This record gives sequence, C-alpha cells and structure tokens, in this order.
Amino acid sequence: NAGVTQTPKFQVLKTGQSMTLQCAQDMNHEYMSWYRQDPGMGLRLIHYSVGAGITDQGEVPNGYNVSRSTTEDFPLRLLSAAPSQTSVYFCASRGGGRRNEQFFGPGTRLTVL
Amino acid sequence: KNQVEQSPQSLIILEGKNCTLQCNYTVSPFSNLRWYKQDTGRGPVSLTIMTFSENTKSNGRYTATLDADTKQSSLHITASQLSDSASYICVVSRSNDYKLSFGAGTTVTVRA
Repeated sequence: NAGVTQTPKFQVLKTGQSMTLQCAQDMNHEYMSWYRQDPGMGLRLIHYSVGAGITDQGEVPNGYNVSRSTTEDFPLRLLSAAPSQTSVYFCASRGGGRRNEQFFGPGTRLTVL
Repeated sequence: KNQVEQSPQSLIILEGKNCTLQCNYTVSPFSNLRWYKQDTGRGPVSLTIMTFSENTKSNGRYTATLDADTKQSSLHITASQLSDSASYICVVSRSNDYKLSFGAGTTVTVRA
C-alpha cells in the first residue's frame, strides 16, 4: 500500500512551457485534490474531484487543468507555465465521510524561470 | 483574510521542554478541526482530528484542545524531542462541503 504518490519530485520549467504533475493513490478513495503551498501561506486548493469523471475548481484554479478518468489517478496540467506558479504542489486523497483523514503525497517542487 | 489564523509563526524550544501552539478560526458551519505535522520536504501527516463535541484529543506527546464556542484550538507538545522540529498546521473543515481551510502553520525548532 503506497498511499499517495506524486511524480516528479522536482521540476524546473521555462515560462510558457507546459507539463503534467502526476498523482496516484491505491486506497480506493473517491475524493482527491491538488493544493499549492507558498511561503507564509496556508495550503490553497487548486482543483478537486469527488469521483471518476467529476472535477471542480478550488480557490486558485487559473492556469491549471485536471481530469479524473480513473479512481486512482488525478493528474494536474500546467497549460503555459508562469513564474507565479513556482510553488510546492501537494496531491491528497480522502475516503468517504467528513471525519476521514486526508492523506497527502510527498509533494512536487516546481520552479518556473 | 484567512479563516484560520495560527500563532506564533515560529518558535524555538530546548529539547525536553513543552510548548503550546494556537489556532483561531472563523470557519462556519464547523465540522471538525485537524492538526497536521509537516516535516521539511514532506507532505502533511495527520496528528489529531476533533469534532464539535470533542474538546481534547491526544496522540502520544501531542495533545490538542478545542473550544468550539470561542473557535479556538491549541496543540501542546510535551517533553519535546529533536524529531518534533516541523511545521504544525491547523485545518478546519466546514460541515456543508468537502473543502478545508488551512492555517499558515507554526514552525517549531527543537534544539539540543
């Protein structure tokens, strides 16, 4: 049981490039989400999904796309990278019920030059 | 304005000493409050979760308290160890949706 896995761990992009951050979980969780973490700020929700085929925007969705074709995978796409997207990105998953613990992946540190 | 405010922003303590971290929130309607520990370079890991009816929860040397009337929570670390050096994040969940509100965290440094 690997929990939540993310790849890559580190990435450097040039402004305007696109890329996909991968996220997978093996706990059969319905709810998955993407956050970004910036210095001095709490984690901010980018996009989330309550099940395969269902996605919705969080509080900072601009510049990012997601899809959820399977329960296990929830990739995050940066369409045209900007320096403002330099951040640490965390994927998380949670089972049903509001008390259930949210499990976080190890994070992807992205730098956009 | 962030709906979850944590204090202090950072603190340094000597190994073996105790410390208390504070969390004030305005999130409503309230469902539960969680404390996470985040080691450098890693994702957050849950320490405790408390619902409206729970006013204290322990996990080893970590004890969390909740006052839902004043919308305040604290995390007390007893007999600190070097491995307690981390960021501690307070997270509050609303009862009407899945979304969580995160505090900015308190960075704790334990020195020998």
